Amino acid sequence: NAGVTQTPKFRILKIGQSMTLQCAQDMNHNYMYWYRQDPGMGLKLIYYSVGAGITDKGEVPNGYNVSRSTTEDFPLRLELAAPSQTSVYFCASSSGVAGGEQYFGPGTRLTVT
Amino acid sequence: AQSVSQHNHHVILSEAASLELGCNYSYGGTVNLFWYVQYPGQHLQLLLKYFSGDPLVKGIKGFEAEFIKSKFSFNLRKPSVQWSDTAEYFCAVNKAPGGYNKLIFGAGTRLAVHP
Repeated sequence: NAGVTQTPKFRILKIGQSMTLQCAQDMNHNYMYWYRQDPGMGLKLIYYSVGAGITDKGEVPNGYNVSRSTTEDFPLRLELAAPSQTSVYFCASSSGVAGGEQYFGPGTRLTVT
Repeated sequence: AQSVSQHNHHVILSEAASLELGCNYSYGGTVNLFWYVQYPGQHLQLLLKYFSGDPLVKGIKGFEAEFIKSKFSFNLRKPSVQWSDTAEYFCAVNKAPGGYNKLIFGAGTRLAVHP
């Protein structure tokens, strides 16, 4: 199985544009997450989902939206991109087992200019 | 709010040197603790984790970590590093139970190992 996949790998956006980062997992995991990684800052949780139709905000949700219509997919939407959203975005998934580890995708490097 | 501190942002070692990376967290309840590694150009992968039991946990590639509850610490160690250990290392914590396995990450430590 492929684990967690993300597309695209790289993207350059102009200020004010919108885009959707795709994330899919084939491990039948209930929990899915979006993080952003900024240099020297570690990973910050943007949004998470505990199952299809259920999403909630993480630490840094402003400027983003998510949806979870299926167990497999968890897209992240950027509306009105801003330079502050330049970052590397990681999607992850975890089983519903308490304390279960997270499995990460390869990341999307986004630049907003 | 919970936080995770990693004391060293950059570490440079020669091959065969010993490694210890510090990690402290600020949460008074029960936690699960993780170390993730990100090799150049690759995604994060789990190195080791602590849930309960023996506070000394062993992971992949000869890494180990010790949970010291009284110090809120979970330091990562390896007796003898190799060039292939060059990577960024992240300590992470989640609340147990509950919390939906959400992770709080430290800022990361970049390790460079010279031959």
